[in-house]
Amino acid sequence: DAEITQSPRHKITETGRQVTLACHQTWNHNNMFWYRQDLGHGLRLIHYSYGVHDTNKGEVSDGYSVSRSNTEDLPLTLESAASSQTSVYFCASSDTQTDTQYFGPGTRLTVL
Amino acid sequence: AQKVTQAQTEISVVEKEDVTLDCVYETRDTTYYLFWYKQPPSGELVFLIRRNSFDEQNEISGRYSWNFQKSTSSFNFTITASQVVDSAVYFCALTAEGDYKLSFGAGTTVTVRA
Repeated sequence: DAEITQSPRHKITETGRQVTLACHQTWNHNNMFWYRQDLGHGLRLIHYSYGVHDTNKGEVSDGYSVSRSNTEDLPLTLESAASSQTSVYFCASSDTQTDTQYFGPGTRLTVL
Repeated sequence: AQKVTQAQTEISVVEKEDVTLDCVYETRDTTYYLFWYKQPPSGELVFLIRRNSFDEQNEISGRYSWNFQKSTSSFNFTITASQVVDSAVYFCALTAEGDYKLSFGAGTTVTVRA
């Protein structure tokens, strides 16, 4: 069955370190998205991609970057982790026919 | 700009009661899609339903039903005869055709007590 996976599921890091969160989907979807979820803020879009080599900034993109070298993967990089980036991160993918986004299980990131 | 409002922050019911979650949206697009997602305590986001703007038929799936009213820009969700397993945060979301990005509401936390 097609799926979307994220790794690691939990990560603790220190302020200033670079962190990369992986997202891999086997749906063969063109569209991929990264969100963060914080109490009181709901789901906020960080970056998104509509295809290979395409990346776009979402509403809370500062301090994050993504790259899309193939259809299956959209890794999210925190260039220099900050305590404000402690959050739960969700990756999602969708096709262009239905717009329905399917979410990965999430990564809980703690920045100390 | 698109906006989704879920005015109810929390709802608490006793098992077997019905519960209705409100979702009101704003969009200037004529073709758009509305969604509901469930986030149980385990944390994953589960897709429940997608409805396009041209289909105003109500939909029922088991104990879940959805009422889409374009005239009031609402897409409400009812759980009939609630069960403890329905306890979760429920999100309503909206996207315009060809946009692919979702605008989420803030979510409604439903607690079903035994």
